Amino acid sequence: AQKITQTQPGMFVQEKEAVTLDCTYDTSDPSYGLFWYKQPSSGEMIFLIYQGSYDQQNATEGRYSLNFQKARKSANLVISASQLGDSAMYFCAMREGEGYQKVTFGTGTKLQVIP
Amino acid sequence: DAGVIQSPRHEVTEMGQEVTLRCKPISGHNSLFWYRQTMMRGLELLIYFNNNVPIDDSGMPEDRFSAKMPNASFSTLKIQPSEPRDSAVYFCASSRTETGMKETQYFGPGTRLLVL
Repeated sequence: AQKITQTQPGMFVQEKEAVTLDCTYDTSDPSYGLFWYKQPSSGEMIFLIYQGSYDQQNATEGRYSLNFQKARKSANLVISASQLGDSAMYFCAMREGEGYQKVTFGTGTKLQVIP
Repeated sequence: DAGVIQSPRHEVTEMGQEVTLRCKPISGHNSLFWYRQTMMRGLELLIYFNNNVPIDDSGMPEDRFSAKMPNASFSTLKIQPSEPRDSAVYFCASSRTETGMKETQYFGPGTRLLVL
């Protein structure tokens, strides 16, 4: 089974609108962390936001927020007020357990912001 | 602060040649990761070091691949001999383990490798 599933290969959003990128995960470990990265066409991987499994509140970082639904095992990224510069690939990732650093990445969602 | 530094940024080589990719992690980070990204397989972890010691190399494709970390500020990934199927973007990332589960990996700009 896939540990991280991103079901949207590609999405379009109008500039200034909000968009939600889906991510579901699979783990039996009660301790885990979830990450979102952005990869623009230039190729670099940029860290956006983190959510811990024990965090009581949804993470927010500027225009990025994470809609964390633990029972559903989903960690959707919400981008508010989309900008043209938000056009990129977005990857969801997970680290499981304490003391081991391996992070598993999803297949990504390509977001295109339309002017 | 300088981020993760990788060199070369682009490499074109012929099949059978040796390729060496280099990485300088962020100062103070004690974990280092090598990833490979392709359209077919996505982002794959090849090997990870903690305090210069290889911890998990289960992702290394085969004996043609080797990685070293002689000190805290330098790592290499070597492919010998290279094959066309090794063509990919190779990323190096680093992190600091003291931050626990929130520990975040910071990626370098990647090396685009093309093996002809």
